[in-house]
Amino acid sequence: QLQLQESGPGLVKPSETLSLTCTVSGGSISSSSHYWGWIRQPPGKGLEWMGSIYYSGSTYYNPSLKSRVTISVDTSKNQFSLKLSSVTAADTAVYYCAGLTMVRGSNWFGPWGQGTLVIVSS
Amino acid sequence: QSALTQPASVSGSPGQSITISCTGASSDVGGYNYVSWYQQHPGKAPKLMIYDVTNRPSGVSNRFSGSKSGNTASLTISGLQAEDEADYYCSSYTSSSTWLFGGGTKLTVL
Repeated sequence: QLQLQESGPGLVKPSETLSLTCTVSGGSISSSSHYWGWIRQPPGKGLEWMGSIYYSGSTYYNPSLKSRVTISVDTSKNQFSLKLSSVTAADTAVYYCAGLTMVRGSNWFGPWGQGTLVIVSS
Repeated sequence: QSALTQPASVSGSPGQSITISCTGASSDVGGYNYVSWYQQHPGKAPKLMIYDVTNRPSGVSNRFSGSKSGNTASLTISGLQAEDEADYYCSSYTSSSTWLFGGGTKLTVL
């Protein structure tokens, strides 16, 4: 059973780069059935898809974040990562890593990591 | 890209049925059968309840059902139970090869 776990700093200073890593266990990140992505949720607000990556390196980004977001994959470590540059307080959120399961013409977000809170503050 | 439109809140009494709508455009909800619904309890990660508009994952109660008409998808919960109280989010694939979420709906079981 696939499981995902986020890791990274919980506090980032304004104007710096937020970096998070998601470790996939219970299966291979090179699965043809999954894209891998990041979804965030500001406190008390809704979910926002940030972007997704295939194990080959193909990426798709939310246009509203595209200039600041980079998602990469390390198949040797079964991990994928998020970098968000020039952060402000508005980037304070719980960040979830999630698989985008794509099988037999279907797609949905899952499994999900437990989420990690990142606060942007000096 | 704008979020899909959901009502901010809905409520119902135990045993009743409620429906949550999710309105988008022909470039997302209306153009693809890739609408999914997620349940989120406070402090927890979202849980998949419906995928591909109408399909229910194994383990999800058959009290949950999904449908779509035009640019609006809907989640119906029948036989409301106290544990159904949560936030619900819809999501859709878009013609730009991106994904959109709805703003979320808080379900209160009275």
